[in-house]
Amino acid sequence: SAVISQKPSRDICQRGTSLTIQCQVDSQVTMMFWYRQQPGQSLTLIATANQGSEATYESGFVIDKFPISRPNLTFSTLTVSNMSPEDSSIYLCSVCSSSYEQYFGPGTRLTVT
Amino acid sequence: SQKIEQNSEALNIQEGKTATLTCNYTNYSPAYLQWYRQDPGRGPVFLLLIRENEKEKRKERLKVTFDTTLKQSLFHITASQPADSATYLCALDPSSNAGGTSYGKLTFGQGTILTVHP
Repeated sequence: SAVISQKPSRDICQRGTSLTIQCQVDSQVTMMFWYRQQPGQSLTLIATANQGSEATYESGFVIDKFPISRPNLTFSTLTVSNMSPEDSSIYLCSVCSSSYEQYFGPGTRLTVT
Repeated sequence: SQKIEQNSEALNIQEGKTATLTCNYTNYSPAYLQWYRQDPGRGPVFLLLIRENEKEKRKERLKVTFDTTLKQSLFHITASQPADSATYLCALDPSSNAGGTSYGKLTFGQGTILTVHP
């Protein structure tokens, strides 16, 4: 299994600003995943972050809005840019084991006012 | 269009009974399907994975079935306890196939909120 931590755990931000969320894993992994969970909804994959290459974004998500960094095999950041109230969500990072089990971080609860 | 649906938004049962949750999918041919538990304010926790060539899988009080003809998975919790109260999510990897290839991306159902009453 993998242990994942995220910072911050929660934040309240003003419209138009940006927030960078950090994700740290206790072991080296090839791919890290970023998900969004809007209030009362299930999880939606935003992007896959590979070390040394550009992140791959899912339909409906773009790099300008959600830039991702992956500087090494244990760390990634997701930035939510130019925020609006619709960006209020829980943002989660995860990693996938060799047997396809996914391990999730505790999430970052973002509220945009 | 592709869909993954969990039939019940909420399920209330008495302690000691068996909880049965349903997950149906359309226009996918996943090589495996997974179930997760999510408690309020926390990330999902992996419970079980069942492959397309497996009819049933068990782990302690948990049992999962996978019917690729019906495109359905059932998740059972036997002898349920109040501590089992949580949201349960099914998930599949749309990129997985019979060869077992997967990129680890998951599409989730909307979840079933299970409440076990003492």
